[in-house]
Amino acid sequence: DAKTTQPPSMDCAEGRAANLPCNHSTISGNEYVYWYRQIHSQGPQYIIHGLKNNETNEMASLIITEDRKSSTLILPHATLRDTAVYYCIVRVRRGNQFYFGTGTSLTVIP
Amino acid sequence: EAQVTQNPRYLITVTGKKLTVTCSQNMNHEYMSWYRQDPGLGLRQIYYSMNVEVTDKGDVPEGYKVSRKEKRNFPLILESPSPNQTSLYFCASRGSVGETQYFGPGTRLLVL
Repeated sequence: DAKTTQPPSMDCAEGRAANLPCNHSTISGNEYVYWYRQIHSQGPQYIIHGLKNNETNEMASLIITEDRKSSTLILPHATLRDTAVYYCIVRVRRGNQFYFGTGTSLTVIP
Repeated sequence: EAQVTQNPRYLITVTGKKLTVTCSQNMNHEYMSWYRQDPGLGLRQIYYSMNVEVTDKGDVPEGYKVSRKEKRNFPLILESPSPNQTSLYFCASRGSVGETQYFGPGTRLLVL
């Protein structure tokens, strides 16, 4: 599975949109982009995934560039409870191996 | 309630003393997996299992064993623990058609 690159940390003001970038320049045509987050030392939580089209659910939006080499997770109205480490993962759909990397530590500031 | 449970949640042991961390899920999921998390290294996959009696190595399998005799259980076995296995361990499961991987609450292991 392709590896990903994320900034180690970001801040966001409460109520504003948080935009978390991810680079996956070696992504293959059959690989999806998944996002998970981990609050403190709890188990990671699934957020969203996509292949090439932009996706939205009740938690977030996922924007994937046309060449699929990068993506952005958008939390439209960040709250203090969104403070967490966010992981961008690229893998084949329902693939067996997950490479989480070190993620982006997002701090939402009051 | 759908969940993945791990036991124990905290464990302190000494080098060489065999231990088992249990993992159980109540969602009838085929796929289960073990991860370890260390500062600066993120989450790394140890082993995974596609179904009963089917297991395979992840990124960091050395020093660990697993078994999958029943669908709901996926224990992680450390035959001879060493201090470098001090870590936070997570078990996870996923259905054969689902996208979401569900994680357990974690087990903090300290090997002295």
